[in-house]
Amino acid sequence: AAGVIQSPRHLIKEKRETATLKCYPIPRHDTVYWYQQGPGQDPQFLISFYEKMQSDKGSIPDRFSAQQFSDYHSELNMSSLELGDSALYFCASSLIAGQETQYFGPGTRLLVL
Amino acid sequence: GNSVTQMEGPVTLSEEAFLTINCTYTATGYPSLFWYVQYPGEGLQLLLKATKADDKGSNKGFEATYRKETTSFHLEKGSVQVSDSAVYFCALRVLWGNTPLVFGKGTRLSVIA
Repeated sequence: AAGVIQSPRHLIKEKRETATLKCYPIPRHDTVYWYQQGPGQDPQFLISFYEKMQSDKGSIPDRFSAQQFSDYHSELNMSSLELGDSALYFCASSLIAGQETQYFGPGTRLLVL
Repeated sequence: GNSVTQMEGPVTLSEEAFLTINCTYTATGYPSLFWYVQYPGEGLQLLLKATKADDKGSNKGFEATYRKETTSFHLEKGSVQVSDSAVYFCALRVLWGNTPLVFGKGTRLSVIA
């Protein structure tokens, strides 16, 4: 079965640089969620989209923005990167009309130097 | 607000030992409850879920029962294997629309042969 795809899997950036993370949800899933997991921490919700509209917002810094495109893939744009942004970034998708289960991608590991 | 509390780790067990990881929750409304597992260097995988009181979720020998009266969702396995070594996250999601998951802090399990 198709799963959530994230790219890139690993990313190394310098402070103050920008990064773009991509997420391709499971086919026919209409909702995408972004989570950030710091080292040894639990995943923290950043933002979610339903049918290309932002539906909920968590602890996402103002330096970050995200959107969902017409093909339902989503991108998380991160600017003015800080050392503390080093984390594992997960994307998850679900089908709002049917299941409450969120299926996670493998994550993008971002290291800011 | 919504929150999940799970027992702190790490938990170290010998192979074939009985496992219990405690999880309690606080939620507005009636949440669905989940256990996710994260193997070393990998993403989050759904282990099991329960959507209403007294439901029992089960998968791969793991079980958890949704106890509304004690607001708990403890994870159990009768006989652990070395391959079960991972971090286990208890999570909840309040069901309206596409709300995000709220995770516990995670419990690291190490099973030794």
